[in-house]
This record gives sequence, structure tokens and C-alpha cells, in this order.
Amino acid sequence: SQTIHQWPATLVQPVGSPLSLECTVEGTSNPNLYWYRQAAGRGLQLLFYSVGIGQISSEVPQNLSASRPQDRQFILSSKKLLLSDSGFYLCAWSVTGGATDTQYFGPGTRLTVL
Amino acid sequence: GENVEQHPSTLSVQEGDSAVIKCTYSDSASNYFPWYKQELGKRPQLIIDIRSNVGEKKDQRIAVTLNKTAKHFSLHITETQPEDSAVYFCAARGLNTNAGKSTFGDGTTLTVKP
Repeated sequence: SQTIHQWPATLVQPVGSPLSLECTVEGTSNPNLYWYRQAAGRGLQLLFYSVGIGQISSEVPQNLSASRPQDRQFILSSKKLLLSDSGFYLCAWSVTGGATDTQYFGPGTRLTVL
Repeated sequence: GENVEQHPSTLSVQEGDSAVIKCTYSDSASNYFPWYKQELGKRPQLIIDIRSNVGEKKDQRIAVTLNKTAKHFSLHITETQPEDSAVYFCAARGLNTNAGKSTFGDGTTLTVKP
């Protein structure tokens, strides 16, 4: 069966510090991968999605970037965090080319920027 | 691109009553409509979905209806229980979007009062 991992689970970082969040998927090949951010009490904001290794599409211009160095690994990064980067970061995957787009979410990383 | 509107943003019902959440979408080519439930501090999880060739789907106390002509779909929860309290997100997946990615509504916070 497929599983999705995210780490760390929680993170507290000072403004201006770098960020690296990692997401890995097991049990499937060539998944679509997504990064979402959820501010407190708000909806899901799609940040990036990827259809394959090295293929990244950005939905919202900001100080974040994403990379997919391996088929089942998705990394979210920032060189300098802002206060507004605080939130709950969710990684998700779906089957490539499937008839549906059911997205399966990871457990999330709660980021607090102070 | 696809635009999904979800109403209401908050909903409070008495235990045992029914709850209805409605979403409208803009892309007439959208063909897949999932609903996710997110409990406090947890990841969103799929609870039910429907494809564009079906008008209604039921799973125990939850059901989803789709009106393709009007471009709206609804989640119905009957005999609500306190454990139904959560944030519910609808989504619509357009045929012509890259990666088959879905567009999410802003969420509905459902509170079931015992």
C-alpha cells in the first residue's frame, strides 16, 4: 500500500532563516506531487505541483521554491523565511494520468516563523 | 482555470440533524469531484467522491449529488454526530488542467452540537 511521509512534524524558525521540508512517497511510481500551505483556520493554498522528476510548476509567486530530485521525493525550500510563511504545510500525491485526481495528503509540517 | 466556491463557510447543527454543504465550479469540463474531511490538526482525508457521469453517490450517512447543468455539487450528511465536526473541503478536477490537479473550495467548518 502507499504511504506518504513528511518531516519534520513541527518546526520553529526565526525570520530570515532558511527552510527545507521533505516529503517522500512509498508504494507508487511516478506520482503527481503537490505542496499546499494552510494558514490557521483557512483553506488549502496550492504552492507547487510536479508531474515528474525535475518538473515543477509554481502556482503562487513567493519566496518559496520546490524541487523533485527523485521520483518519490519532493522538497520545499526557502532561502529566507518571512513571518507570513507560518502555516501548516501539506504534501500530497495522486496517480499520474488516472481517471480521477484523488489526492492523498501527508501528515503535514506545522511551521512557526518568529 | 477552474474556480470553486463553497458555501457556507461555517455550519452549526444539532446532533441528529442533517447538514448540507454546496460547491459550485466554473469549468464545464470538470469531471471529478471529491470531498475531504479535515479534523483539527490533522491532514485532509477523502470521504466521498463522484464522477461526472454519475448524479448521486451514497456511503452510509454521507452522500454527494452532482448537477452538471448548473455546475454544482453538494455533500449531504444525515443523522449528524459530534465526530462529524470538522472542516470539509470540496474540489473539482478539470480535464484540461496540468497534472489533472484539482481546485479546492475554501472549506466549511461544521460543528455538531450534542
